[in-house]
Amino acid sequence: AQSVTQLGSHVSVSEGALVLLRCNYSSSVPPYLFWYVQYPNQGLQLLLKYTSAATLVKGINGFEAEFKKSETSFHLTKPSAHMSDAAEYFCAVSDNTDKLIFGTGTRLQVFP
Amino acid sequence: EPEVTQTPSHQVTQMGQEVILRCVPISNHLYFYWYRQILGQKVEFLVSFYNNEISEKSEIFDDQFSVERPDGSNFTLKIRSTKLEDSAMYFCASSLRRDNAYNEQFFGPGTRLTVL
Repeated sequence: AQSVTQLGSHVSVSEGALVLLRCNYSSSVPPYLFWYVQYPNQGLQLLLKYTSAATLVKGINGFEAEFKKSETSFHLTKPSAHMSDAAEYFCAVSDNTDKLIFGTGTRLQVFP
Repeated sequence: EPEVTQTPSHQVTQMGQEVILRCVPISNHLYFYWYRQILGQKVEFLVSFYNNEISEKSEIFDDQFSVERPDGSNFTLKIRSTKLEDSAMYFCASSLRRDNAYNEQFFGPGTRLTVL
């Protein structure tokens, strides 16, 4: 069975600081990995995904994530946080069937 | 930009009542999904739907749940007799293809269901 674990339900950073949101996965088959973002009163929006090509994946809004098989991790980073990055972030895994399997989410707060 | 919409944004119901949650997927999409998130827990897959049939369903999706695409634009989730534990945020999603590697599921903003 597949699963993801997001460490830290809340992360707070100052504007301009590094953003690091952690995700570890478990999968018996080569996984496809995703990060979604949810802004208040909006749907989940795809930030980026890993589908077995390059291990460093670049997404929208300056975010990127690195697939590390040895660590079973897919952490999301952004070098410099903006106030507009405040949102809930979800990591998800798929074995390329219909369903996405999500983590519990991490709420990112950005302070001026 | 096309988007998935869901109504209502918040539904309050009494235990044992039937509820219907509505979704309008992106118009040219072919695959439809429902997920839910109980407060503080993971977003969980409920069901996928294609060509007027359920493609896959989770163990959560028991006989109390049903889905329908009644008119070619709406996609509904019905809970026949709600329980307290059905209180959650319900997300609808749609996609053009099934293959998650080369595809994107587009999500609606969710319906918060509260069962009293």
